Amino acid sequence: DIVMTQTALSSPVTLGQPASISCRSSQSLVHSDGNTYLSWLQQRPGQPPRLLIYKISNRFSGVPDRFSGSGAGTDFTLKISRVEAEDVGVYYCMQATQFPYTFGQGTKLEIK
Amino acid sequence: EVQLLESGGGLVQPGGSLRLSCAASGFTFSNYAMSWVRQAPGKGLDWVSAISSSGGNTYYADSVKGRFTISRDNSKNTLFLQMNSLRAEDTAVYHCARGRMTPDYWGQGTLVNVSS
Repeated sequence: DIVMTQTALSSPVTLGQPASISCRSSQSLVHSDGNTYLSWLQQRPGQPPRLLIYKISNRFSGVPDRFSGSGAGTDFTLKISRVEAEDVGVYYCMQATQFPYTFGQGTKLEIK
Repeated sequence: EVQLLESGGGLVQPGGSLRLSCAASGFTFSNYAMSWVRQAPGKGLDWVSAISSSGGNTYYADSVKGRFTISRDNSKNTLFLQMNSLRAEDTAVYHCARGRMTPDYWGQGTLVNVSS
């Protein structure tokens, strides 16, 4: 199975400041069709997961442009340009390149 | 508006069975693959199963293979998860999601509690 490992945020983030979450996969996520099926999801407290980014860097419908994704191969990053109060929650990366699909352990975003 | 509403969860003894349903609306259900993802209390997300748009292809996590069966009724816009031989470690909130490789909309989930 592909193991997804996320970094923890070092400390609560100040409102208006940037935040960055990293995700590393144990194998390349490049699919045989040429796509890389790496998504980022947000889970606010008490809510179901919400898709933010798909195929590394594509923002899903309705997602603010302060969220962006980047990376390639085995290393990926979710960036929030200016953190807002509504961004509090847990962020997961997910790979759907190879079965079984797997998630990172989650990274909690707290606001200072 | 895309809506996914899960039902069928509850308390069940180890070794028992449950059938989860996910009623879909707001999109053409038969055009989309669908997935089940679970979340144990206080834990992260765990992919369980997926099914193609026609129902002809199904996929399972090793932890549920042979015990769980995913299916769908495109005439009723409903996704199912039949869960047999349930174990304590299956206790979780079960979410259905639209899509397989890019699960874009998620339901609120239904709680399955396996306990004696």
